[in-house]
Formats: sequence, structure tokens, C-alpha cells
Amino acid sequence: KNQVEQSPQSLIILEGKNCTLQCNYTVSPFSNLRWYKQDTGRGPVSLTIMTFSENTKSNGRYTATLDADTKQSSLHITASQLSDSASYICVVSDRGSTLGRLYFGRGTQLTVWP
Amino acid sequence: EADIYQTPRYLVIGTGKKITLECSQTMGHDKMYWYQQDPGMELHLIHYSYGVNSTEKGDLSSESTVSRIRTEHFPLTLESARPSHTSQYLCASSGTTSGANVLTFGAGSRLTVL
Repeated sequence: KNQVEQSPQSLIILEGKNCTLQCNYTVSPFSNLRWYKQDTGRGPVSLTIMTFSENTKSNGRYTATLDADTKQSSLHITASQLSDSASYICVVSDRGSTLGRLYFGRGTQLTVWP
Repeated sequence: EADIYQTPRYLVIGTGKKITLECSQTMGHDKMYWYQQDPGMELHLIHYSYGVNSTEKGDLSSESTVSRIRTEHFPLTLESARPSHTSQYLCASSGTTSGANVLTFGAGSRLTVL
């Protein structure tokens, strides 16, 4: 069964600290993996997208890694800011169709305290 | 500015009412989607469209219906709302970035049925 599991479910850190969010998936055949940031009451916004051949990609203070062999990805946030408080969603696409079916994780709820 | 718009953002209605959630995008995307999201849960695809006059049901069974008469417009309708329809509804459209199908989400419509 194709699944996307994220951990931790929630995380609280102090402003300025770093953190790492995890995503494990069983989706096959794998096409790409995306990380989205969803602010409360808003739609998700894309942070990074990685294909099979990419093992790291950065977007400002956000760095995503991908290990396609172990089917794991992580999102590292450096020098956290209050505005980083949001839900971070891991989404994996398969290659089963031209469109590519998307499998969503439940997200990690990050809270950054001052 | 290219974007995707959803209205209303918040709607509280009584049981049995007919409602239409509007979604419009100005990016010229052919593919559009409706997702349903409950708190702390993953997004579930309820409808999608590959272009004008093309609509398909998604993974999650829904009593809602959609139409795609114009490329930029993808409204969702509930003929008779019930409390079980209370949820957040997210509209998205997709283009292709680096060969991957990347979703752009609207801000969402939060529906509460009393």
C-alpha cells in the first residue's frame, strides 16, 4: 500500500534554533517528492521538489534531502523564525500515469516560540 | 499577477442548503483539482479536471459535483449540504516544472454546516 508517513506529528522550538522534519514513504514507482508549507487557514505552498536523481535541494533557510534507496526525506530548517510556524506536508508522486498520483502525508505542525 | 482564487473563504450555512464554492486561476493551467482537508489529516482528492468539459471523481467519495466550462473556472457544488460536509476545501491547479506536475493551491474555503 502506497503511504507517506511524517514525524514528528508536532514540534515546538525556540526562535533561532534549527530543526529537522522526517518523511518516510512506500510509494512505488517513485517519481518525485515535494515539501509544502501550509500556514493556518491557508492553502499549501510549495517549498521544494526533488526527483529520483536529486538528493538535496535548498530554498533559502529550507533544505530538503532525499534518499531514494531507503525511501526517506528530511526537511531541515535553519535559524527558525516565528513565521516558520506552520504545517509542513510531504507529498510523493508516483509514475503510474501521465498525471502522477499524489500521496499526501498528514504533516508536521511546527510552532516557533520567541 | 498569476494566482488561484477561492471564494468564499468562510461559509456557515444550515442543513439542506445548496452551496457553490468558486475557484478561478489566471495561470492558464489545464489541470485543476479539489481537495478536502480535515484538521490534522492529509489532503484527499475529491475531483479533478484535465481541461474544459473534462471532470473526474477523485479518491475520496464526495456528494459534491464540479463543472469545467472555462479553463480558468472550476466550481464545486453541494446540492444539499449536511453537517458531514463540514471541512476545508482546497482548490489547486497545476503546470509543469522540470518535468514534474507542480500544484498551486488556493487559500481554501472553510465550510461549516449546522
